Amino acid sequence: DTGVSQNPRHKITKRGQNVTFRCDPISEHNRLYWYRQTLGQGPEFLTYFQNEAQLEKSRLLSDRFSAERPKGSFSTLEIQRTEQGDSAMYLCASSPPETSGGPSPDTQYFGPGTRLTVL
Amino acid sequence: AQTVTQSQPEMSVQEAETVTLSCTYDTSENNYYLFWYKQPPSRQMILVIRQEAYKQQNATENRFSVNFQKAAKSFSLKISDSQLGDTAMYFCASALTQGGSEKLVFGKGTKLTVNP
Repeated sequence: DTGVSQNPRHKITKRGQNVTFRCDPISEHNRLYWYRQTLGQGPEFLTYFQNEAQLEKSRLLSDRFSAERPKGSFSTLEIQRTEQGDSAMYLCASSPPETSGGPSPDTQYFGPGTRLTVL
Repeated sequence: AQTVTQSQPEMSVQEAETVTLSCTYDTSENNYYLFWYKQPPSRQMILVIRQEAYKQQNATENRFSVNFQKAAKSFSLKISDSQLGDTAMYFCASALTQGGSEKLVFGKGTKLTVNP
């Protein structure tokens, strides 16, 4: 078990550019979450996938944000026309299905995050 | 809506001593989970301990234990025999167990420093 991985770890971009982040969850975890964490704050929920279906989106996720999980495995988060206010750590987490018989489905395992800096 | 409040932005403790981090939450639901997550400097967030709201017994994990007061909506974390490796941000979080995503709602965190 290699844990949740995220790429890139750091991204510096200029205002107005598009960026895309990738998250690879723990294998066989069917639930995947994206959170955003700004300096001095706790993570805030952005969106949730169960398999390939995006089942919930936060109001924080403006029209410039889009997330996908096309095959129910890895996920991407794209931010279009980045703004300085988008600068944050973007965290991905995954959790196993309820029938796994392993860890509780409510335990989320976090990746190391992608730190975005918009200049 | 769920809210989680951590009123201690920073705390410090001497190595080998005990420290308690405070957390209060608000929810109108009956079924929920509570968590403490640890985020060491420049490292990823890891689960420290979790508590099901329907269980009266306080959860324990080695040196970590909680004091869960459901009526008061309080969920504090006690770290015994503090170690230097316990230095980290600690986040209290809640999640509902029905009706959807089980998304976590976090507090703002408490920065804990363990001094040698």
